[in-house]
Amino acid sequence: DTGVSQDPRHKITKRGQNVTFRCDPISEHNRLYWYRQTLGQGPEFLTYFQNEAQLEKSRLLSDRFSAERPKGSFSTLEIQRTEQGDSAMYLCASSSSVAVGGENTGELFFGEGSRLTVL
Amino acid sequence: EDQVTQSPEALRLQEGESSSLNCSYTVSGLRGLFWYRQDPGKGPEFLFTLYSAGEEKEKERLKATLTKKESFLHITAPKPEDSATYLCAVRSGYSSASKIIFGSGTRLSIRP
Repeated sequence: DTGVSQDPRHKITKRGQNVTFRCDPISEHNRLYWYRQTLGQGPEFLTYFQNEAQLEKSRLLSDRFSAERPKGSFSTLEIQRTEQGDSAMYLCASSSSVAVGGENTGELFFGEGSRLTVL
Repeated sequence: EDQVTQSPEALRLQEGESSSLNCSYTVSGLRGLFWYRQDPGKGPEFLFTLYSAGEEKEKERLKATLTKKESFLHITAPKPEDSATYLCAVRSGYSSASKIIFGSGTRLSIRP
């Protein structure tokens, strides 16, 4: 397993266009998280899934953002009618709820991120 | 509302000069405090999980400690390769299936 992969790595779009990011988690992980990070800030929570169920979505997230995880495998994050303020790095992470060797560290495994630039 | 605050925002040290990074938190029920390291252009990389006050974890030159209100990441005799942003995060709530929120990080720079 090569870890969490995200696609595309970079996306440049014009204001008002829709964009979609894809995340492929580590295969045995049942939890998947989306975060947004801007320069000099920590990752900001967007949403997360356990299997195919979306358990929580940030109240800061506008209706232009939607995420899916069909069949509990890969996930997509779509941003509709992009705005310049959406420019950021979008990070995906996965984890397992199952303890290994008697301990679950709760570790999130992050992908390299998808960088969005809205012109 | 749950909150994680890290200080200082940036720290420049000479190689070999030990110091500590602070993470203070306000949560409705701590289900784990995490430290991550992030290099420029990369996703965060896991370092430690702490669950209860008094707990300590160590890895090479790093040692993380936890009290009821804050956590410290102590770095002993740092080397230039320790330069990175260090992020603190907490899982709050009353279930292990709850969200994880991050602080804004401390940018650590080690001069040779």
